[in-house]
Amino acid sequence: GAVVSQHPSRVICKSGTSVKIECRSLDFQATTMFWYRQFPKQSLMLMATSNEGSKATYEQGVEKDKFLINHASLTLSTLTVTSAHPEDSSFYICSAIRGRGNQPQHFGDGTRLSIL
Amino acid sequence: GENVEQHPSTLSVQEGDSAVIKCTYSDSASNYFPWYKQELGKGPQLIIDIRSNVGEKKDQRIAVTLNKTAKHFSLHITETQPEDSAVYFCAARGGGFKTIFGAGTRLFVKA
Repeated sequence: GAVVSQHPSRVICKSGTSVKIECRSLDFQATTMFWYRQFPKQSLMLMATSNEGSKATYEQGVEKDKFLINHASLTLSTLTVTSAHPEDSSFYICSAIRGRGNQPQHFGDGTRLSIL
Repeated sequence: GENVEQHPSTLSVQEGDSAVIKCTYSDSASNYFPWYKQELGKGPQLIIDIRSNVGEKKDQRIAVTLNKTAKHFSLHITETQPEDSAVYFCAARGGGFKTIFGAGTRLFVKA
């Protein structure tokens, strides 16, 4: 079945560090990938939608210079949290849709980011 | 824009009983309704989905119903087991790829 792999699963780093999170679709080509942020006991908040080979579309209120997204191939998207601060600590989850059309969305296992 | 409401926020059932989670959506153009199960520290996993041309779909102990007129859809889990304990999210998607999620239901199945 459709598998989405996300790395790393856990990051702890100092304030001011930039952190890169990778999202890979292992057995399918993902023309569209999504990045979500989830606070404890809350729902998923869409941050941005990325399409292979084009710029990401950010949701209102999400700083694109803070959260850099690159979708360089049909199987890989990356999220870089630049100059991370404690308020950026959260659970970040990527997801991907196989091909085009109205297909199911499959999620990675998330990255727990803790900024000290 | 689309809004998805989910109830209840917390649900506690005895093992073997049924659990029902209900959602409503606002955008009549929505045509795809997935349900996800999220265990602690993991990403959401798709457990069942239904499209707008279908009223009901079943997969073993899990079933989903859709009432397009009322803009309601529900998840039914029968013969619940302790391993069903998790957070469940309903979602709705319209013509684009953007999926709107409900607030989630924390299900506790007591042995």
